[in-house]
Amino acid sequence: DVKVTQSSRYLVKRTGEKVFLECVQDMDHENMFWYRQDPGLGLRLIYFSYDVKMKEKGDIPEGYSVSREKKERFSLILESASTNQTSMYLCASSRRAPGSYGYTFGSGTRLTVV
Amino acid sequence: AQSVSQHNHHVILSEAASLELGCNYSYGGTVNLFWYVQYPGQHLQLLLKYFSGDPLVKGIKGFEAEFIKSKFSFNLRKPSVQWSDTAEYFCAVNAENAGNMLTFGGGTRLMVKP
Repeated sequence: DVKVTQSSRYLVKRTGEKVFLECVQDMDHENMFWYRQDPGLGLRLIYFSYDVKMKEKGDIPEGYSVSREKKERFSLILESASTNQTSMYLCASSRRAPGSYGYTFGSGTRLTVV
Repeated sequence: AQSVSQHNHHVILSEAASLELGCNYSYGGTVNLFWYVQYPGQHLQLLLKYFSGDPLVKGIKGFEAEFIKSKFSFNLRKPSVQWSDTAEYFCAVNAENAGNMLTFGGGTRLMVKP
């Protein structure tokens, strides 16, 4: 019973390409998040959204943008992919106040930029 | 801004050994605390959480964690590990001034030798 779905498990893209990573959740959560996961660095927040059409920068937003046109869908966009964006990208969702519930994560998209 | 430190990046244990993974955070106010686990090739899953009450929290698969407010710590423990506990473990904190945000530690990669 997958509740947060990321459209691709593995992606290989060329430097300079525009890349779209899609995430859909079916739990009617208000909040959605994009993280990248790198060895030794843990999870670093790229962007998050607390409502439709709302977005907030996380810790490392440079080189990324996001789109949330519908409550269930949160897209991460790499405007011009670079090799230092090779990483595992994780999408998560939560209720408006995640303190008691935490996040639900997708399976991740491993992006390689060549 | 709060930060989360996990002191051990890699831990190697034999089966039946006891486990303790350290987690310290920097925020002095009210916090909600989480441990997530990521088994090889799988998505992040919630292991246990603390948000109030008994500071000794029991989670799934025999794991527990103790919140010690005076030490800003939330260490994860298991009395006897199994090979199937091989995974990466992440501590995360939601501080009361951070709204919807979880801050993650850098992760600890546990390998249990059979």
